[in-house]
Amino acid sequence: DAGITQSPRHKVTETGTPVTLRCHQTENHRYMYWYRQDPGHGLRLIHYSYGVKDTDKGEVSDGYSVSRSKTEDFLLTLESATSSQTSVYFCAISEGGSGDKNIQYFGAGTRLSVL
Amino acid sequence: RKEVEQDPGPFNVPEGATVAFNCTYSNSASQSFFWYRQDCRKEPKLLMSVYSSGNEDGRFTAQLNRASQYISLLIRDSKLSDSATYLCVVNKINAGKSTFGDGTTLTVKP
Repeated sequence: DAGITQSPRHKVTETGTPVTLRCHQTENHRYMYWYRQDPGHGLRLIHYSYGVKDTDKGEVSDGYSVSRSKTEDFLLTLESATSSQTSVYFCAISEGGSGDKNIQYFGAGTRLSVL
Repeated sequence: RKEVEQDPGPFNVPEGATVAFNCTYSNSASQSFFWYRQDCRKEPKLLMSVYSSGNEDGRFTAQLNRASQYISLLIRDSKLSDSATYLCVVNKINAGKSTFGDGTTLTVKP
């Protein structure tokens, strides 16, 4: 299995509080991604990174920010959590390039509940 | 129209049945194609890549039809353990992002 660790695995928080989720990889892959998955919506890309300090928005980036100060760590921050951000959050990594280098490997997920 | 579309199912089949899923994609610049499997409340995991020549892995066969812009997954001799959601994934040339379909749910019953 690819070396991807998400922390925390479960979190319950209150509306309006800041929340940071961490993704750590040991594969030295260039690309890292944050997705959310909700019933009826499949996986939706929040933000992704294509290198240290290089990030870009996905399709559902409003209310989220990210940072990547080291190759191995990609942080997702909810500045002021809302109930609509209750979801399962997955981190993924890939080498990037062509063909099978585009395969994404996923972390085990973080279940976030915003009350 | 979504960039990648899958029939959500659910597909309910008996053990031993053969079942096929299709996935259509809209961007003709798409280059890499994959099938992932996701078990309930777990992370998606790569099932197999889809190559232009088609490929087979045991009971699973994946095919690509570039002219009609779809990929398919065939599962033969279905097992109870095949019950899962199957996600179709498409990448454009030299794009770091992938586009995921919403998934097709398969339930294999005794």
